[in-house]
Amino acid sequence: GQSLEQPSEVTAVEGAIVQINCTYQTSGFYGLSWYQQHDGGAPTFLSYNALDGLEETGRFSSFLSRSDSYGYLLLQELQMKDSASYFCAVGTGGGNKLTFGTGTQLKVEL
Amino acid sequence: DADVTQTPRNRITKTGKRIMLECSQTKGHDRMYWYRQDPGLGLRLIYYSFDVKDINKGEISDGYSVSRQAQAKFSLSLESAIPNQTALYFCATSDGGGLAGGETQYFGPGTRLLVL
Repeated sequence: GQSLEQPSEVTAVEGAIVQINCTYQTSGFYGLSWYQQHDGGAPTFLSYNALDGLEETGRFSSFLSRSDSYGYLLLQELQMKDSASYFCAVGTGGGNKLTFGTGTQLKVEL
Repeated sequence: DADVTQTPRNRITKTGKRIMLECSQTKGHDRMYWYRQDPGLGLRLIYYSFDVKDINKGEISDGYSVSRQAQAKFSLSLESAIPNQTALYFCATSDGGGLAGGETQYFGPGTRLLVL
């Protein structure tokens, strides 16, 4: 089976940097993705890592270490609008499905 | 116009009733998915389909059925609704990505279902 662990809540101040960790156990691994979901909204894709290392997209970066079954999402220059839930997800089933973590609620304070 | 639409957006029903949630997409994707979201449990996969003739069970398919009427339409049915099926339901689509590019899923706005 698959399981993913991420912190349930993280709080940070505007302008700061925050890191959301994700550890996973899967039978078969096809990349680690991150999704953002604002309250009442639909999840939206943020980033994807297939190989070890750091991927950067603007203020957001995502890191993967396959040997450690670990990844993180790094958010820089936090803004109030970044307050949302963040889900890590691993590709499974031959890469045909995603299994999601339970999500981390990020609260950005003034 | 939204690429992935879901109807209804909100629904209240009674235990034992049959209901259908509908999903339509204009992205031209072959892959479609149904998830449910409960507080603290994240998104859990109910069913998925890779084309009109391909339907697969996800991790929590009991009590649900689906129909892929066309490439663009994927419906989820609760044959006899029960209160613990109260949840937020999302439809998603994907073009499949590939091992190098990864699979990006595009989600509809969700249907909030309350079973009394």
